Amino acid sequence: QKEVEQNSGPLSVPEGAIASLNCTYSDRGSQSFFWYRQYSGKSPELIMFIYSNGDKEDGRFTAQLNKASQYVSLLIRDSQPSDSATYLCAVRNTNAGKSTFGDGTTLTVKP
Amino acid sequence: EAGVAQSPRYKIIEKRQSVAFWCNPISGHATLYWYQQILGQGPKLLIQFQNNGVVDDSQLPKDRFSAERLKGVDSTLKIQPAKLEDSAVYLCASSPDARSYEQYFGPGTRLTVT
Repeated sequence: QKEVEQNSGPLSVPEGAIASLNCTYSDRGSQSFFWYRQYSGKSPELIMFIYSNGDKEDGRFTAQLNKASQYVSLLIRDSQPSDSATYLCAVRNTNAGKSTFGDGTTLTVKP
Repeated sequence: EAGVAQSPRYKIIEKRQSVAFWCNPISGHATLYWYQQILGQGPKLLIQFQNNGVVDDSQLPKDRFSAERLKGVDSTLKIQPAKLEDSAVYLCASSPDARSYEQYFGPGTRLTVT
């Protein structure tokens, strides 16, 4: 079992729809959770981080964390073609520990 | 503020040759990371530095990979000798300190081993 698992996709949504990206992790001691966006041929860029159970909203993005279920998700509202990218979930097991990345979900937003 | 700089951007070598990558983190960032990203996979941490000390190198193949961060600023990652499976993008990232939630990635070096 991988430490961080994501559906590879591709996930395709129409422009204006809500895209839902999911991630599960195996280490119950994980403390902080990150979503990165990676455009093809580019390096990852941080979208959001979350460390408490519940929802965290930032503009069109909402991260959701459920530690009991070892599940973290990212919702993208009003999806735009510019959101088309690979979304990487990363998990950190201590405040200063290493981040373990999933293999990413590829999202395509169709005009 | 200047971002994380890496060079070279691309490198093609034959197997058994050696190669070195260079990274200059954001000014003042104490923590520096080297990741390996194989096509279709997420980044895998190779080594993490805090200033010029190693925090984590548990996934660094030490028989062929080495890294240093002299004076706690620039860093180099070396592979010697390279294998075909080392073909990947090598990403350098930095953060203000190890507890920071934000990591800033450089543009990466794409290595092809033939």
